[in-house]
Amino acid sequence: AQSVTQLDSQVPVFEEAPVELRCNYSSSVSVYLFWYVQYPNQGLQLLLKYLSGSTLVKSINGFEAEFNKSQTSFHLRKPSVHISDTAEYFCAVSIIQGAQKLVFGQGTRLTINP
Amino acid sequence: EPEVTQTPSHQVTQMGQEVILRCVPISNHLYFYWYRQILGQKVEFLVSFYNNEISEKSEIFDDQFSVERPDGSNFTLKIRSTKLEDSAMYFCASNPDRTDTQYFGPGTRLTVL
Repeated sequence: AQSVTQLDSQVPVFEEAPVELRCNYSSSVSVYLFWYVQYPNQGLQLLLKYLSGSTLVKSINGFEAEFNKSQTSFHLRKPSVHISDTAEYFCAVSIIQGAQKLVFGQGTRLTINP
Repeated sequence: EPEVTQTPSHQVTQMGQEVILRCVPISNHLYFYWYRQILGQKVEFLVSFYNNEISEKSEIFDDQFSVERPDGSNFTLKIRSTKLEDSAMYFCASNPDRTDTQYFGPGTRLTVL
């Protein structure tokens, strides 16, 4: 079975500061990795994903995440956050072979202060 | 841009009543999913559906739950006899291929009194 741990339930940062949201996973088989974002009163939107290839993946709005197989991590980073980044961020995995259910972490609420 | 839609946005029901949550997946998608999120907890997988049958279900998805694709556009989740602990946000998702990104709807908040 797979599991995902997001160590920080809440992360407050000031606008224009850098941020890192941590995600660690556990799986006995190879997985795909995802970050989803949930803005207030909205559904889950894919932010970025790692399927294969380069271990550093980037989103169109400045976020990036790096797959580290030895540390089983997929931390999300942004060098300078904006008020509009205020949201809940979910890390998720799915196994490469077989069923494609997503296994989610608990979520990290990112709050940006002016 | 196509999106997954869900109705209603909020459903209030009495314990023991049946509820049907409705989803319209993106039109060319073939794989469908239901997830739920109890307040303050993780988003949890309930069931996946492909080619008019369940392909995987979690231990949460017991005999009280059922899914159906009654026509070419809707995908429904039925809870036959709701319990207080069924109160949660229910998300529908779909993708065109099982290895592709899952696109989520905005969710239905179910409140069981």
